[in-house]
Amino acid sequence: DVKVTQSSRYLVKRTGEKVFLECVQDMDHENMFWYRQDPGLGLRLIYFSYDVKMKEKGDIPEGYSVSREKKERFSLILESASTNQTSMYLCASRPQEYTREQYFGPGTRLTVT
Amino acid sequence: GDSVTQMEGPVTLSEEAFLTINCTYTATGYPSLFWYVQYPGEGLQLLLKATKADDKGSNKGFEATYRKETTSFHLEKGSVQVSDSAVYFCARGGGFKTIFGAGTRLFVKA
Repeated sequence: DVKVTQSSRYLVKRTGEKVFLECVQDMDHENMFWYRQDPGLGLRLIYFSYDVKMKEKGDIPEGYSVSREKKERFSLILESASTNQTSMYLCASRPQEYTREQYFGPGTRLTVT
Repeated sequence: GDSVTQMEGPVTLSEEAFLTINCTYTATGYPSLFWYVQYPGEGLQLLLKATKADDKGSNKGFEATYRKETTSFHLEKGSVQVSDSAVYFCARGGGFKTIFGAGTRLFVKA
């Protein structure tokens, strides 16, 4: 079974802190994604990566950056956390074929106070 | 741009009732279509999928048929259970990005 793990289930940070969210997948997938999920807004794509060291902006990249130094790991970075970044963050991975489904991690619920 | 529209929730049903959650999409070409389910406190997981017109995806008693003529992929289940209470997302692939609907929350009462 494909497994996607995220470093924390719950995280509480203060405004202005630098926050790292880590995601690891164990199935050698080329593509990885970061979403945020908010009530009434569904899933919104923040960044994605189609291969190691490759990254592309999604629909809401402002205030975020990413890093993919190894194929299995995709990190989301909040350079200076703000209260409007309080949300559920979901990581996903997928093989290269676009017809395939995405595999999601359990999510990290981030609260910025 | 491409989009996925699904019925707003919440949907509340009694156990053993019939379930339909409507989903329509816009897209050029022939996208793959998916239904994902999210149980409380968890990430999304694939429920079923269809990759071409007239395909029927099925899993755990849920079904959805890829209807190209109506650009729809409605989710159905003949008899829901309390354990089906979750949020259901319709999605279309076929490109690098997957487009998700807003999600429909289902409550099933015993």
